[in-house]
Amino acid sequence: KAGVTQTPRYLIKTRGQQVTLSCSPISGHRSVSWYQQTPGQGLQFLFEYFSETQRNKGNFPGRFSGRQFSNSRSEMNVSTLELGDSALYLCASSLGTSGGSDTQYFGPGTRLTVL
Amino acid sequence: GQSLEQPSEVTAVEGAIVQINCTYQTSGFYGLSWYQQHDGGAPTFLSYNALDGLEETGRFSSFLSRSDSYGYLLLQELQMKDSASYFCAVNSGAGSYQLTFGKGTKLSVIP
Repeated sequence: KAGVTQTPRYLIKTRGQQVTLSCSPISGHRSVSWYQQTPGQGLQFLFEYFSETQRNKGNFPGRFSGRQFSNSRSEMNVSTLELGDSALYLCASSLGTSGGSDTQYFGPGTRLTVL
Repeated sequence: GQSLEQPSEVTAVEGAIVQINCTYQTSGFYGLSWYQQHDGGAPTFLSYNALDGLEETGRFSSFLSRSDSYGYLLLQELQMKDSASYFCAVNSGAGSYQLTFGKGTKLSVIP
């Protein structure tokens, strides 16, 4: 079974631009979560989607948004990029039906650099 | 707030045993997970504890004490390839999948 895939793997943008990242979960998984990883803050939860609905949201500004499609693929968007948005963005998929106890499987991440 | 504390760095000798501790303070608790991340790689799942006690998976074991808000990851027969960062994470989202991660422990295995 194929793992979680993320595209693109690397991105370079300038301040003020916007960016869209994509995540394809493991087949059969309906929950997709997004995380931001930086050296200073570590891994931080952005949001989680299940059956096209956002179920939970972390403490990030409204510039960070996401959506999920009927095939469970998910995208996240960051608008008006800031230097501090430079990070590794990881998505994780899980079955999403066990009240929170499912294992989350991570994709390889998208490395975003904001200049 | 929610916080998880784990040592920032640990060094151990190849073939030895190492224990990485994790204490947590979260508003909700559904389980404690452990992930391994090699430099430049994605976090990979190692183990999960929802109930008190020890879970064993090959060379890795994980322990949880919910009353102490404490857990640990035990790595036995250390190999050079075990050099990586190890993260504990708590699922505190009721009915959803929000992991709160510790800052990670960088394990260096030396010959």
